[in-house]
Amino acid sequence: QKEVEQDPGPLSVPEGAIVSLNCTYSNSAFQYFMWYRQYSRKGPELLMYTYSSGNKEDGRFTAQVDKSSKYISLFIRDSQPSDSATYLCAMSATARNKLIFGTGTLLAVQP
Amino acid sequence: ETGVTQSPTHLIKTRGQQVTLRCSSQSGHNTVSWYQQALGQGPQFIFQYYREEENGRGNFPPRFSGLQFPNYSSELNVNALELDDSALYLCASSLGQSNSPLHFGNGTRLTVT
Repeated sequence: QKEVEQDPGPLSVPEGAIVSLNCTYSNSAFQYFMWYRQYSRKGPELLMYTYSSGNKEDGRFTAQVDKSSKYISLFIRDSQPSDSATYLCAMSATARNKLIFGTGTLLAVQP
Repeated sequence: ETGVTQSPTHLIKTRGQQVTLRCSSQSGHNTVSWYQQALGQGPQFIFQYYREEENGRGNFPPRFSGLQFPNYSSELNVNALELDDSALYLCASSLGQSNSPLHFGNGTRLTVT
């Protein structure tokens, strides 16, 4: 069993839709949770960074962490074609520890 | 812009050869990590350097080695290249403090034939 599970998609939605992306994990030591966006032929770009449980909002993006269920989510409101990319969840036990990534979910927002 | 620059962007090598990949981080970013991303997969941790010392290593053989320099640059060296080493190699840096997330460069695409 992988430490971090993420549905690879692809996920196709119409422009303006609300997108929900999810990851589950098995290691209860994880405390730092991140979402990265990766465009084709580019490196991962940090979108959201959360410590422990709770919600965090930044513009159209909301990250949720539920440590009791070992489940994290990223919501994208009013999705745009420019949001089309691969979304990677990542987590670690300490601030300086290695990141464990999911396989990434490929999102396509259709105009 | 993350301030993390990697070179070269693409590289083709032959099995058995050696390769050096380079990374330049932002000033003050004293922690650098290297990741390998195979096609269709998430990045996998190779190793991390903090203040020029190796500070953690993933499940990669010793033929993967690295260096970090005082000027915030670093190198990833891979000896005896194998076909499975074909991947995107990502460098990431951070301030190395609590609540300081990793910022990635755009990577070097290595193809081993």
